Amino acid sequence: EPEVTQTPSHQVTQMGQEVILRCVPISNHLYFYWYRQILGQKVEFLVSFYNNEISEKSEIFDDQFSVERPDGSNFTLKIRSTKLEDSAMYFCASRQEPNQPQHFGDGTRLSIL
Amino acid sequence: RKEVEQDPGPFNVPEGATVAFNCTYSNSASQSFFWYRQDCRKEPKLLMSVYSSGNEDGRFTAQLNRASQYISLLIRDSKLSDSATYLCVANTNAGKSTFGDGTTLTVKP
Repeated sequence: EPEVTQTPSHQVTQMGQEVILRCVPISNHLYFYWYRQILGQKVEFLVSFYNNEISEKSEIFDDQFSVERPDGSNFTLKIRSTKLEDSAMYFCASRQEPNQPQHFGDGTRLSIL
Repeated sequence: RKEVEQDPGPFNVPEGATVAFNCTYSNSASQSFFWYRQDCRKEPKLLMSVYSSGNEDGRFTAQLNRASQYISLLIRDSKLSDSATYLCVANTNAGKSTFGDGTTLTVKP
């Protein structure tokens, strides 16, 4: 069964550094998402992406965050200047159509030191 | 008010018990609904879609009441392996997905 893949599985970065999290959505999917989950807390929506542009973003997704689909297969989340509070699990998800369920990658654990 | 609200939990039940989770949504544009389960430190995984006529998958039954904007999940004969957090999700046709905060279930021997 096709799956969403995320790399790396764990990223350790110094505060203030830039980080890029990578995702390869399922190949025929058109809608892409990033979520984050701070340890012990709920899943929080960050951003949705469709037709090469952001369709919706949350308050968390401020100017420090950006997303890109550079080559038609990868979907990346960039955090420009990381803060301690960015430490979390970041999940990528994709789906084919709006009324279909999302499929999640197994996440990247981001640790900011 | 949250767009998707779930029972806060936690639910602690013995093996073999029947347990029901409720979820309400406020966005009337929501058209499709799903239940996910999430194990500790893992990604959410689709448990089942929720259809207007109600649907069953083994020990799991999901129901949707559009008039009341209410979704439910019933787990019968609960197993230790059912212990997880259960997430209710509402989608609009525009592609927006809203997750509930989740309800934690612990099934004890």
